Formats: sequence, C-alpha cells, structure tokens
Amino acid sequence: NAGVMQNPRHLVRRRGQEARLRCSPMKGHSHVYWYRQLPEEGLKFMVYLQKENIIDESGMPKERFSAEFPKEGPSILRIQQVVRGDSAAYFCASSPPRSSYNSPLHFGNGTRLTVT
Amino acid sequence: KNEVEQSPQNLTAQEGEFITINCSYSVGISALHWLQQHPGGGIVSLFMLSSGKKKHGRLIATINIQEKHSSLHITASHPRDSAVYICAVREGAQKLVFGQGTRLTINP
Repeated sequence: NAGVMQNPRHLVRRRGQEARLRCSPMKGHSHVYWYRQLPEEGLKFMVYLQKENIIDESGMPKERFSAEFPKEGPSILRIQQVVRGDSAAYFCASSPPRSSYNSPLHFGNGTRLTVT
Repeated sequence: KNEVEQSPQNLTAQEGEFITINCSYSVGISALHWLQQHPGGGIVSLFMLSSGKKKHGRLIATINIQEKHSSLHITASHPRDSAVYICAVREGAQKLVFGQGTRLTINP
C-alpha cells in the first residue's frame, strides 16, 4: 500500500512562472491537507480538501494560490506568478473518509520549490 | 506568543543519553502529534495522543491535558535519531498547529 505520493520532489521556477504541485493520497483516503514550510520556519496549514470540495482554506494566501482535489486524479496545489518568497517545502498529508478528531496523519515526502 | 512552544530549540547529546523534548500549548486540543523530519526528507508521524502515555520501541510520549504539556523521550539515543522533532496540536476537527521543532543531534 503506497503512502502519500508527492511530485515533483524538487521544482525550480523563475519568477512569474506557474508552479503545480501534485499529491496522491494513500489508497482509500479522501481527505487531503497541504502545509507549507518556509526556510527556517515551522510548518503552517494551508488548505484542507475532500474530493471535489475545499473544506478549509484559511491558511491559503489570498492571491496566486489555489488548490483542487478532483473526483479523479491527484490533488493539485497551484501557485501562479511565483515570487522568491514562495520558495519553501510544500507537504501534503492524507486521512481516510469519515475522519475522526483522532485520525492519524500520513505525510508525503514534500515538494521543494525554489524560485530563482 | 506561539500557540505551540517547544523546548529546547536545539539539543546535542552523546550516543546512549536519555533525551527529553517538551511541548506546551495554549489552546484547547482534540489530539497532539509528535512528528519526525530528517534533513531534506519527509515527515513521519511518531505518535498521536489525546491522554496518558504511549511507547514505541525506544520512544515514549506523554501528555498532561490539565497542564497542556507533552514530552517526547528517547531512551538509549543513537546517531540515527538525529532529526527535527515537531509537536503539532489538532484544534477542532482537522486543523493542525505546529511547533517550531527541536533539532536533535546525537553524536557517536
């Protein structure tokens, strides 16, 4: 049973380009969370999605960032017109449906985005 | 003041020493997680606690809900335990709030 798969592992973009980060949850999981880890900082919640629904996007920057989790395929975190401050590690985690307050967490290995 | 505070921020010890990392939080929580992150690597969930104590191999995690405090202990530490250890609390149904992490280095 494969874990949470994120790709690419490393992504380099020039300022102004778009970055697309993909996350395939564990088999049977329908809840996906995205977190960002800025250099030398702790992890911060960005967005929580279920299939075809954004449940909580309170941690997403208001502009340039969007996330989706379609009925088929991976969850996508999209950053338009990237700036140097977007350089960070982006982690995805998943949990099963009907998640309780005490569902364990399963993280991917992260995508390290570098904006040049 | 951060909602989740870890101490120490950095910890260096010799192989075999008993290690304690502390986590204090200021909000009501439904669960607390201890995570491990190796340099350049992914994040592994070590424990999820809502009360009491859990043990897995050389790792022990405790939580005191009344005092809003948790500790992670490592017995007979080994260089391969060197990593960043992160405390995270779950507020409400899903949202996690993370501590800044404790960077642990175990020297042979």
